[in-house]
Amino acid sequence: NAGVTQTPKFQVLKTGQSMTLQCAQDMNHEYMSWYRQDPGMGLRLIHYSVGAGITDQGEVPNGYNVSRSTTEDFPLRLLSAAPSQTSVYFCASSYLGNTEAFFGQGTRLTVV
Amino acid sequence: GNSVTQMEGPVTLSEEAFLTINCTYTATGYPSLFWYVQYPGEGLQLLLKATKADDKGSNKGFEATYRKETTSFHLEKGSVQVSDSAVYFCALQGGSEKLVFGKGTKLTVNP
Repeated sequence: NAGVTQTPKFQVLKTGQSMTLQCAQDMNHEYMSWYRQDPGMGLRLIHYSVGAGITDQGEVPNGYNVSRSTTEDFPLRLLSAAPSQTSVYFCASSYLGNTEAFFGQGTRLTVV
Repeated sequence: GNSVTQMEGPVTLSEEAFLTINCTYTATGYPSLFWYVQYPGEGLQLLLKATKADDKGSNKGFEATYRKETTSFHLEKGSVQVSDSAVYFCALQGGSEKLVFGKGTKLTVNP
């Protein structure tokens, strides 16, 4: 009963490096999303997807790319990491229609 | 746009004290309202929800009532335990599927 799986759990990057945060869910949820959590800011939506092949921007999309080639996977790509992207990143999934969102355990990213 | 304002923390209580965390919202239409909880080192998990006015969500001794007239969804528990120490997030979801979160309230319960 895996739920939402995020990898890695921790990552340190140098400024300018690229990386992909992985997110996979096994609940056949249509909706998937990425958030970043910063102290005093709550969770802010980065990108989201309502199904395979469909993605859209959230509140803070700059510096991040996503794709949704399958229902299960929703990777988040940082093309050129910046210190301002130091944060904890959460992936979430749910069925469409105002239902419970399931969250991964998070990825703590530090950009130096 | 939609927004959620919740009580600033941190909140520190003794075991068995009464808890209230205030949450108010701004939204068009009739959003669904949620409380999520984040235990240390973990992701968020749903605590309770309400999908229409006057609905009461409840779980693990926590309750919240959807009040449309005051646009509020305050979280309450009659007697907190040390194990309730966590960060609590109020959230709303309108017709676009996107969840909008408050900034979170950190609760610490001392024995």
